[in-house]
Amino acid sequence: DAGVIQSPRHEVTEMGQEVTLRCKPISGHDYLFWYRQTMMRGLELLIYFNNNVPIDDSGMPEDRFSAKMPNASFSTLKIQPSEPRDSAVYFCASSLSGDHLPNFGPGTRLTVL
Amino acid sequence: AQSVSQHNHHVILSEAASLELGCNYSYGGTVNLFWYVQYPGQHLQLLLKYFSGDPLVKGIKGFEAEFIKSKFSFNLRKPSVQWSDTAEYFCAVISNNAGNMLTFGGGTRLMVKP
Repeated sequence: DAGVIQSPRHEVTEMGQEVTLRCKPISGHDYLFWYRQTMMRGLELLIYFNNNVPIDDSGMPEDRFSAKMPNASFSTLKIQPSEPRDSAVYFCASSLSGDHLPNFGPGTRLTVL
Repeated sequence: AQSVSQHNHHVILSEAASLELGCNYSYGGTVNLFWYVQYPGQHLQLLLKYFSGDPLVKGIKGFEAEFIKSKFSFNLRKPSVQWSDTAEYFCAVISNNAGNMLTFGGGTRLMVKP
């Protein structure tokens, strides 16, 4: 298995622009997580899905952030409009229910100028 | 509030020195405990995990961790570090009292001087 796939790996954009991050979980995994990593706040859980349904989005910082999972093999995290303080590495992870063992993707490094 | 604490934010060691990184959690109930490592420029990788059984867990690359339930701790150890161990280390906890979600500590940056 290729593992969790994220794209793009790097994104540089200007303040106010829309940013879409993409994730393909490991096939067969029914949980999908979005994390954000910053120097100041460490690793934060933003939102997670179970069987494509958002379960807990309490970690999403603002209404500018939204996430979708239209099917079992794809999820997006969108920021609109983006701000410089959104600059971070965004990780997607997936796991199989019961094993409590998230597998992390390589991350997307977002820079908002 | 439920939390995971890593008290050492930065650690600098010379090669062959012994390592111990602290991790404490405040969750009640049944917990599963993890240490993840993030090498420079890379993604998170699982180093070791504790679900049940022997509280002394052996992981990859000579790392081990000990679960001490009475102290709510899961400290990471390695008897002799190498330059290649330079990385950031994250403790993480899943608790059935916290919706079975993985919560990370703030991370510890380890630098090993050759």
